[in-house]
Amino acid sequence: GENVEQHPSTLSVQEGDSAVIKCTYSDSASNYFPWYKQELGKGPQLIIDIRSNVGEKKDQRIAVTLNKTAKHFSLHITETQPEDSAVYFCAAVSNTGKLIFGQGTTLQVKP
Amino acid sequence: DAGVTQSPTHLIKTRGQQVTLRCSPISGHKSVSWYQQVLGQGPQFIFQYYEKEERGRGNFPDRFSARQFPNYSSELNVNALLLGDSALYLCASSLNPGDSNQPQHFGDGTRLSIL
Repeated sequence: GENVEQHPSTLSVQEGDSAVIKCTYSDSASNYFPWYKQELGKGPQLIIDIRSNVGEKKDQRIAVTLNKTAKHFSLHITETQPEDSAVYFCAAVSNTGKLIFGQGTTLQVKP
Repeated sequence: DAGVTQSPTHLIKTRGQQVTLRCSPISGHKSVSWYQQVLGQGPQFIFQYYEKEERGRGNFPDRFSARQFPNYSSELNVNALLLGDSALYLCASSLNPGDSNQPQHFGDGTRLSIL
């Protein structure tokens, strides 16, 4: 069945360092891969996405890479700040539009 | 512009009761999806509606039902509540699920607690 695996489950970095979160997906028909940030008491907020015809996308301090052959995609956050602390979810969208989420990564950025 | 709005924000029910959760999509969005998020896990897909018709259903029992209205708002109904239904229920809207590349934007959810 459709599945998305996300690692690590927790990640602690020093302010200014980089953070990397990795995901793998099972459905080869998936062609859209969003990343969400969820803060306490809030819903998931879309922070960046990538489509299958692109290998990399960058938006300021955030970048996402996609390897369709290996079914891997990753989120890279550079120059981390305390306000980046949150739970991050990767997801893959099936051709029916259903979002399949990873298990989440709790990122802690220490000042 | 207003984002996805959900009501109520919190709800406490007892086992066996029924609950209705409401969602208003972003203006111009015609598709609404519902997700259940249990504490410590990623959201799980429940339903997707587009133009008032069900377009997809996740692996949830028949106690869960939903509908979409002509103004594209939506309701999620859960009957015969169980303790395991305690979760954050999220609504997401998008322009058109037929284009699977359309981003889905989430509301802040309804926190449902079953006693």
